[in-house]
Amino acid sequence: GAVVSQHPSRVICKSGTSVKIECRSLDFQATTMFWYRQFPKQSLMLMATSNEGSKATYEQGVEKDKFLINHASLTLSTLTVTSAHPEDSSFYICSGRATYEQYFGPGTRLTVT
Amino acid sequence: DAKTTQPTSMDCAEGRAANLPCNHSTISGNEYVYWYRQIHSQGPQYIIHGLKNNETNEMASLIITEDRKSSTLILPHATLRDTAVYYCIVRVGDGGATNKLIFGTGTLLAVQP
Repeated sequence: GAVVSQHPSRVICKSGTSVKIECRSLDFQATTMFWYRQFPKQSLMLMATSNEGSKATYEQGVEKDKFLINHASLTLSTLTVTSAHPEDSSFYICSGRATYEQYFGPGTRLTVT
Repeated sequence: DAKTTQPTSMDCAEGRAANLPCNHSTISGNEYVYWYRQIHSQGPQYIIHGLKNNETNEMASLIITEDRKSSTLILPHATLRDTAVYYCIVRVGDGGATNKLIFGTGTLLAVQP
């Protein structure tokens, strides 16, 4: 299957700071990328859908000003958690869409102290 | 997208077939059945998908009932590495790049030695 990478795999930041997570499709072009969040012992929750070159579409209840998404190219999307707080600590997973299948990155563990 | 119902957890002996059921009684004619799995602290992995015919690949087989209201994922010879949460998802087939995968609670499959 196609490969999606995320960087960093783990990050610890202080409350009030911003954190950027990169998502790259390594061997395919992803017109659409998705960002998910997963809290411990819970399922993945879709946060937003981003299309290359246009604004992201956020799911209900997800603050677009807090979770900034940029999808500047067909192989790169970034998620910036602005003014992070401890409740933003979570496992963030991106996914790129390629024809019928959707491929997922390995996830980024964010811990806000 | 139609909702799915899966058992919360299942056990399977190593080397035996694992049969994971999924109910999707409100599935529409243009919705596909997708299966993904998530090993602890990793991103989801695509397994297989189908519309109405049974499907098989190197990882698993997918059996869809004639009325399409339920399906079964079969791992023919389960190994300890197959221990994961398995998600059954129904989604409109490719035709729109923004079709989203919405995850339910899934089935935790524990393969026992």
